[in-house]
Amino acid sequence: GDSVTQMEGPVTLSEEAFLTINCTYTATGYPSLFWYVQYPGEGLQLLLKATKADDKGSNKGFEATYRKETTSFHLEKGSVQVSDSAVYFCAHNYGGSQGNLIFGKGTKLSVKP
Amino acid sequence: DTGVSQDPRHKITKRGQNVTFRCDPISEHNRLYWYRQTLGQGPEFLTYFQNEAQLEKSRLLSDRFSAERPKGSFSTLEIQRTEQGDSAMYLCASSLGAGARAGELFFGEGSRLTVL
Repeated sequence: GDSVTQMEGPVTLSEEAFLTINCTYTATGYPSLFWYVQYPGEGLQLLLKATKADDKGSNKGFEATYRKETTSFHLEKGSVQVSDSAVYFCAHNYGGSQGNLIFGKGTKLSVKP
Repeated sequence: DTGVSQDPRHKITKRGQNVTFRCDPISEHNRLYWYRQTLGQGPEFLTYFQNEAQLEKSRLLSDRFSAERPKGSFSTLEIQRTEQGDSAMYLCASSLGAGARAGELFFGEGSRLTVL
């Protein structure tokens, strides 16, 4: 069935380090792909999205490219900050449906000064 | 604050009791979603509404669960005869709908349920 698999955390990095969080998906149809972020004490919020193959979503220095051939949507940032400490969730809207999302389990990122 | 609001934020109840959660979406959003999240897991879809119509329900939504959105504005999620396995964070989200904005959900902070 449709699913999302992302790398397990927690991930601990020093400030200004390079970040990659892997995400792969299985889906029927042509889903859009998303990264959501949950900062401590806050609700989930959309970080970036990509709607078709080879699209790159970007926001706040984060990027992810929709790779249909590898069914992946890895999240990257060149230089993380302490303020990026959060839980990151990869998701897709299965079957290209209206908005119902399948989420991965989340990856907790801690950035140390 | 014009974001999605949920009430109560925390609810502790005894097994077998009924509980109800309320969600007030962003006012111009016609779609409203309920998700459930347990510790260490991502959110799992429960149901969604377009205006007042409930368009899809997950098989996770057992007969003890019922959701309503009577006037296409706020929504309630009721759990009857709660079980310990119902302990989770219940998340509400809203969105503008389909097309280019599909999947762009705005989440509330959640209602945490603990069933003793």
